[in-house]
Amino acid sequence: AQSVTQPDIHITVSEGASLELRCNYSYGATPYLFWYVQSPGQGLQLLLKYFSGDTLVQGIKGFEAEFKRSQSSFNLRKPSVHWSDAAEYFCAVGPRLGGYQKVTFGTGTKLQVIP
Amino acid sequence: KAGVTQTPRYLIKTRGQQVTLSCSPISGHRSVSWYQQTPGQGLQFLFEYFSETQRNKGNFPGRFSGRQFSNSRSEMNVSTLELGDSALYLCASSFRETGDYGYTFGSGTRLTVV
Repeated sequence: AQSVTQPDIHITVSEGASLELRCNYSYGATPYLFWYVQSPGQGLQLLLKYFSGDTLVQGIKGFEAEFKRSQSSFNLRKPSVHWSDAAEYFCAVGPRLGGYQKVTFGTGTKLQVIP
Repeated sequence: KAGVTQTPRYLIKTRGQQVTLSCSPISGHRSVSWYQQTPGQGLQFLFEYFSETQRNKGNFPGRFSGRQFSNSRSEMNVSTLELGDSALYLCASSFRETGDYGYTFGSGTRLTVV
């Protein structure tokens, strides 16, 4: 069964500092991979997704993620964090084939940004 | 284009009652998935509908049910509410013809059971 692990429940960074949020997945083949962000009281917004091709994926709001097959990882990065990036971030994995299986989400990493 | 619309935004119900939540997906999206989000359990998959057919179901009791209409709008129903059903219920739509699972989420319905 597919699964996603986000080992960091909570991360605090200073505004302007770089950010890396970790994500490891378990799946029998190369899955579809996603990062979503959720602001308080809101739904989730898709930041970026990886389907195939270039393993470095660019997303919205200046975020990028790198797919590393050998490490089963899909870490999210941002070179300079803004106070408005404070939110909860979710990594997710979806099956590449077979059509109708669910997308599985990690437990989330809550990002706090300090001035 | 309009996003995913979930109604109502907030609900307060009493134990034992039932509730119906509504989701209107993005125009052209035929897949609607429902998730329950709680602080302790995170995002738990409830079910997915595609072209009015339930394609997949999560590990929730039979009190949780759903359906999808011909216009792709979806409803989920919870009967005999329990305190533990208090959660944010999120609906997500996607265009699945090409296997694109990039969900667009609604803002959710916050259900409180008292």
